[in-house]
Amino acid sequence: EIVLTQSPGTLSLSPGERATLSCRASQSVGSSYITWYQQKTGQAPRLLIYGAYNTATGIPDRFSGSGSGTDFTLTISRVEPEDFAVYYCQQYSSSPSITFGQGTRLE
Amino acid sequence: QVQLQESGPGLVKPSETLSLTCIVSGYSISSGYYWGWIRQPPGKGLEWIGNIYHSGSTYYNPSLKSRLNISMDTSKNQFSLRLSSVTAADTAMYYCARVRGSSGSYFDPWGQGTLVTVSS
Repeated sequence: EIVLTQSPGTLSLSPGERATLSCRASQSVGSSYITWYQQKTGQAPRLLIYGAYNTATGIPDRFSGSGSGTDFTLTISRVEPEDFAVYYCQQYSSSPSITFGQGTRLE
Repeated sequence: QVQLQESGPGLVKPSETLSLTCIVSGYSISSGYYWGWIRQPPGKGLEWIGNIYHSGSTYYNPSLKSRLNISMDTSKNQFSLRLSSVTAADTAMYYCARVRGSSGSYFDPWGQGTLVTVSS
């Protein structure tokens, strides 16, 4: 099973600042198979980024994804008040197997 | 626009079987895609449970496989989860979702979730 480790656990920023969230995999993951979700309190997760860098429909362009191999990053260019939430990365690998990171709280 | 809605008992006794249904609207599940279940214990992260393909083939989280069954009823446009021999560790918000991407690699959209508590 591929383990995803997200850092930091909590990221404290102010609106307008840049947010950089990391997701590190215990072994190499195909870029097509890394996904990022946003979860606000009391809500279901929402798809943000799929295939490591493809922004989902309706997601503002301040959100971007990058990375390859074992290291992936979600960047919010300028944090807006509505962006304060928990962010999860997720991977898919053959077997098949799907795992999530433990989450990064943006506050 | 695809929408998913989970339904089922909110309270299940230890050792019994947890049964949930996901009703899909806006798309015929027999037409394609994988469909999946994910859970989230209170205050914790997300755990993938398993997926079912529109053809009926399934794949499960190995940690739950021995207790798990996912099935679909295309006549009702819904798919279901059954998890046997539950314990308090199975207490969680349970989400259903459509699975997209090559090989069924990510979840979108998600249902709103249903909270299941395992307690006597």
